[in-house]
Amino acid sequence: SQTIHQWPATLVQPVGSPLSLECTVEGTSNPNLYWYRQAAGRGLQLLFYSVGIGQISSEVPQNLSASRPQDRQFILSSKKLLLSDSGFYLCAGNTGTGLEQYFGPGTRLTVT
Amino acid sequence: GENVEQHPSTLSVQEGDSAVIKCTYSDSASNYFPWYKQELGKGPQLIIDIRSNVGEKKDQRIAVTLNKTAKHFSLHITETQPEDSAVYFCAAAYPYGGATNKLIFGTGTLLAVQP
Repeated sequence: SQTIHQWPATLVQPVGSPLSLECTVEGTSNPNLYWYRQAAGRGLQLLFYSVGIGQISSEVPQNLSASRPQDRQFILSSKKLLLSDSGFYLCAGNTGTGLEQYFGPGTRLTVT
Repeated sequence: GENVEQHPSTLSVQEGDSAVIKCTYSDSASNYFPWYKQELGKGPQLIIDIRSNVGEKKDQRIAVTLNKTAKHFSLHITETQPEDSAVYFCAAAYPYGGATNKLIFGTGTLLAVQP
């Protein structure tokens, strides 16, 4: 079975600073990967998904971007953070043919 | 558009009682319905799922039922225990792009099991 890793676990950043969150997957090849944001402990919002290296689809226009430099690596970035970027960021993945999505442990981002 | 409604938003039960959480979805193309349990500060954990060609699935104290005609699906937890306390999310999956599926999540149910 696949395992999703995320780091850092927590992050406090000032407004206007850059952001880089990393997600890696083990136990499967060619996974579909997803970035979600969760506010106030409820409601998962899909931000980006990727079906392969260099292939990124954006669900919600915003201050964030995503990249997939390797098959099992997915990165969420921002050039300048806003206060509204605070939240709990979750990476998820599933195999190319599977329906089940498995989540990582999440990164708690606080923008001050 | 695609939408998943989840009720109730909070649920408090006594230990040993049953808990039921209900969801409805809007798009009949949805073919997969997972349930996730999320403990405080952790990522959601897949606990059970059901596919559109099945009406019911059970795994020990947890069961899920699906009514495709009514576009309803429900999570049933029997003999609840304090460790069942968490936020539970339902979701409905929509196939698109040929290579992936999109999960639309409900807004979550905070389940509190009182000892």
